[in-house]
Formats: sequence, C-alpha cells, structure tokens
Amino acid sequence: GENVEQHPSTLSVQEGDSAVIKCTYSDSASNYFPWYKQELGKGPQLIIDIRSNVGEKKDQRIAVTLNKTAKHFSLHITETQPEDSAVYFCAASIDQAGTALIFGKGTTLSVSS
Amino acid sequence: GAVVSQHPSRVICKSGTSVKIECRSLDFQATTMFWYRQFPKQSLMLMATSNEGSKATYEQGVEKDKFLINHASLTLSTLTVTSAHPEDSSFYICSARWASGGPIYNEQFFGPGTRLTVL
Repeated sequence: GENVEQHPSTLSVQEGDSAVIKCTYSDSASNYFPWYKQELGKGPQLIIDIRSNVGEKKDQRIAVTLNKTAKHFSLHITETQPEDSAVYFCAASIDQAGTALIFGKGTTLSVSS
Repeated sequence: GAVVSQHPSRVICKSGTSVKIECRSLDFQATTMFWYRQFPKQSLMLMATSNEGSKATYEQGVEKDKFLINHASLTLSTLTVTSAHPEDSSFYICSARWASGGPIYNEQFFGPGTRLTVL
C-alpha cells in the first residue's frame, strides 16, 4: 500500500520568510496530492492540491510542486504570516471514488513575528 | 460550500458506555465518508471507509464490533464507540467526498472533529 513520508516534523521561520515542506510517496499509481492545514482542536482544511497531470500549482502565497519521476511533492508558502502557524499534512491517493487519503505525519509550522 | 459537520464536538463518558458520533455533509451528497482517529501531535489514522448503503470497510487492526459505522444516507454517517474504555479516548474526525463528477470530484472535506474522553 501507499506510504507517505513528510519532512521536516517541525519548522520555525520568521514572519515574511518562505517555508517549504516536502513529502515523498511510494505508490506510483497515486495521482492526487492534497495539502491540509490543521489548527489546534479543529479538523484539517484543504489548502491546495495537485494532480499528476501538472507539475506545479499556485494559489496566492501557496504553491505545490510535483515530481512524479522522483515521487515527491512539496508545499511552498511565501511571505509567511503568524496566522500560517499550524500543522500541515500532505496526503496521497489514487484519484477515484472510495479511495482513502494516506497522510504524512505532519509538520508543525511556527511563524514568529 | 462543501461543509462537513460533526456532533458532538466534545463528549465525556464513563467506561463501559457507548457513544455515537454523527458526521453530516451539509451542502453536498457524499457516497463515501471516511473515519479517522488522531492522537495528540500525531497524524490522522484511517479507521474505516463508509459507503452509503453498504457495510463499512475497516482498516487492519480496527475492531469492527467496537467501532460501529452506519452510512444510511448520502449526507449522514455515524460512528458508535461501543463499551468505551479510556484507551479509546482520542480525537475522531470524519471526511466526506462528493458523490460524483465535477471538478472537485476527489476532494475530501473534513469535519471539525469530536474529542472523546472516556473516564
């Protein structure tokens, strides 16, 4: 089955700096890669996702890149703000009905002002 | 759009009792709902996949007789923790996917979670 590795487990940056979180996956059949942000005591919120037919996707300060050959994908947050502080999870799955997401272990991002 | 609710948000119960958690998709139909368990500072662990009108599929190591899942409609799935014990204390989160079609066919939307504490 699929296995997702996520690094780093913790990341501290200064406000305005960029943050990068990296994930690798094992199943070459996976073709859907979402990123979730989870704040304390709340459920995960989808912030961006990418499918295997593209190599990069951007939404304002957030971007995701995908390298299918190397089986890794990354989340890039630019101009970080204190409200970006949260736990971020990457996930991977096959893009079809009934297929569960397999999550990485999460990255705790702390943005200090 | 794409809102998933859970009820209750917090529950405290005595050991040996049963607790039911509801997961609802408020503005869309979901043929598939997933139940996750999350321990403090850990990732989400998939417990089971729930398909409307059929039996849930449980992940290895998850006791189906202890964690009863019912997905009776396209907008509601329930998780019942039977004969709860302190080790069942955890954060339970559900997610739902769109029924079919559309540009966001594969996206999963998560509920806010339910904090279960068993005394």
